[in-house]
Amino acid sequence: NAGVTQTPKFQVLKTGQSMTLQCAQDMNHNSMYWYRQDPGMGLRLIYYSASEGTTDKGEVPNGYNVSRLNKREFSLRLESAAPSQTSVYFCASNWGSPLSEAFFGQGTRLTVV
Amino acid sequence: AQSVTQLDSQVPVFEEAPVELRCNYSSSVSVYLFWYVQYPNQGLQLLLKYLSGSTLVKGINGFEAEFNKSQTSFHLRKPSVHISDTAEYFCAVSGRSFGNEKLTFGTGTRLTIIP
Repeated sequence: NAGVTQTPKFQVLKTGQSMTLQCAQDMNHNSMYWYRQDPGMGLRLIYYSASEGTTDKGEVPNGYNVSRLNKREFSLRLESAAPSQTSVYFCASNWGSPLSEAFFGQGTRLTVV
Repeated sequence: AQSVTQLDSQVPVFEEAPVELRCNYSSSVSVYLFWYVQYPNQGLQLLLKYLSGSTLVKGINGFEAEFNKSQTSFHLRKPSVHISDTAEYFCAVSGRSFGNEKLTFGTGTRLTIIP
């Protein structure tokens, strides 16, 4: 039971570099999410995808882009990394209903120097 | 809009003592409430949830929470904590109306168990 798988687990980038965080779920969930976790700020929603083919901005979308490649995969791209994007990133998925439990990946710890 | 407030950022508790982690929410519509736990260097996992019905809900690892609509609270409790309960705990809310379906998280409470 893989659940939600994120790659990579750790990454160090230089300011201005780009990278893509990958996320895949094997639970046939409709909705997928990207959060960032910063000390004292909890989890903040970056982007989400309510269903295959749709994406929408969350609370903190600036500096990020996403792609819902298919029902299983949802990637997050940083086009030009900034130190303010140093954070732990979590991908999550659920059925899309507000009653539905969210399942989280193990996280990606990103440092931008 | 909906929001969640976790007033205590850190809670130290002696092993085998009881603990209460506080959560208050704000929403103009009916809500669903969740507690998630994050063990060190891991993702979040569901501890328990309130959807409807009995206001006292029981979760994994001996935790329980009580939904109080008049006080807009959903406090998490455990009568006797163990070292393995050391983790960060997040309260979250989702709402029934369009635009409020997504989970909104509190800032988290770090629970430290003192041997």
